[in-house]
Amino acid sequence: GAVVSQHPSRVICKSGTSVKIECRSLDFQATTMFWYRQFPKQSLMLMATSNEGSKATYEQGVEKDKFLINHASLTLSTLTVTSAHPEDSSFYICSARDPGASTEAFFGQGTRLTVV
Amino acid sequence: DAKTTQPPSMDCAEGRAANLPCNHSTISGNEYVYWYRQIHSQGPQYIIHGLKNNETNEMASLIITEDRKSSTLILPHATLRDTAVYYCIVRVGGGNQGGKLIFGQGTELSVKP
Repeated sequence: GAVVSQHPSRVICKSGTSVKIECRSLDFQATTMFWYRQFPKQSLMLMATSNEGSKATYEQGVEKDKFLINHASLTLSTLTVTSAHPEDSSFYICSARDPGASTEAFFGQGTRLTVV
Repeated sequence: DAKTTQPPSMDCAEGRAANLPCNHSTISGNEYVYWYRQIHSQGPQYIIHGLKNNETNEMASLIITEDRKSSTLILPHATLRDTAVYYCIVRVGGGNQGGKLIFGQGTELSVKP
């Protein structure tokens, strides 16, 4: 199946700093990618839809100025957590679908963010 | 997208078949049933999906009832590596929103020696 790669797999940052997470589709072009957040012992929660060449669409309750999404190319979307706080510590996961191949989505391996 | 209901947890003996049920009584005619699983601290992994007919691949089988209001994911010979949270998701297939999945709580499957 299609491959989606995230980087970094884990990151520790200080409160008040910003962290950028990358999501790449390795063998296909993705006009749309999705970002999820998962807290311990909970399910995945959709944060936003990343659209290539246009603004991201955020789910209700997700602060767009806090979680900046950029989808500048057909193979790369980035999520920047700005002015991070300990409560932003979570597992962040992206997904994408290869529109030319199948209907199912493929997920990155996730990024474990710890804010200290 | 239609809502799904799954048991929160299940146990299965290693080597036996694991049958994971899912209720989706409000499913629409154009909605597919997708199954994903998430092993601890990893991204979800696609397993299988179907619309009306039963489906089988190298990982699992998907049995969908005739009225499409429920389905069962079958892992024919569960191994310890199949221990994971299994998510049943119903949504319209394809299109730019094809990756937009709304996750419920899933079923935590524990495969025991």
